[in-house]
Amino acid sequence: DGGITQSPKYLFRKEGQNVTLSCEQNLNHDAMYWYRQDPGQGLRLIYYSQIVNDFQKGDIAEGYSVSREKKESFPLTVTSAQKNPTAFYLCASSFPGGDYTEAFFGQGTRLTVV
Amino acid sequence: KNQVEQSPQSLIILEGKNCTLQCNYTVSPFSNLRWYKQDTGRGPVSLTIMTFSENTKSNGRYTATLDADTKQSSLHITASQLSDSASYICVVGGPRVRFGAGTRLTVKP
Repeated sequence: DGGITQSPKYLFRKEGQNVTLSCEQNLNHDAMYWYRQDPGQGLRLIYYSQIVNDFQKGDIAEGYSVSREKKESFPLTVTSAQKNPTAFYLCASSFPGGDYTEAFFGQGTRLTVV
Repeated sequence: KNQVEQSPQSLIILEGKNCTLQCNYTVSPFSNLRWYKQDTGRGPVSLTIMTFSENTKSNGRYTATLDADTKQSSLHITASQLSDSASYICVVGGPRVRFGAGTRLTVKP
């Protein structure tokens, strides 16, 4: 079945450590996105990528890094420089624009810093 | 400024009441608009999609409207249920897909 998969569902990290969240899709989508969601708040864009080997900063990119070496994969690294990393992280994918713009979302990863 | 603005940010209503959520966008050229429902701790799922030629689309108790001239869409929920408590996200297609921040709806008994 086609879809977008985030892993793990829950992740615990010690302060000062980097951690990488996985996002994989088999929908042949060119565009992929990472969003952060805090309790009671809306989606905030961290990074997005419209095509392989290219990505752009979103509104809250500080303390995060991404790579897009393969079309199917868009991993997000939360670095120790991110001051408040505890949050719910959502990955999405879509065709980059035009008529085929249904965005598919993963089930999210809840990151907790302990 | 985000090209997709949703209002209100949050809303609390009593079970059985109706409510309307708003999505205003500046995306151009516009191709389509989708509303998603996100239960707490889950990924969003699609509720409705409308292209520029459609001005209303229903999915059970959910009715979405679109005015492409004023670049506004609304999601109307009729006879709300406790299970409608969720975040509702507006996503607009154009040269690039743009996501609204969402409206958090709480339905109380």
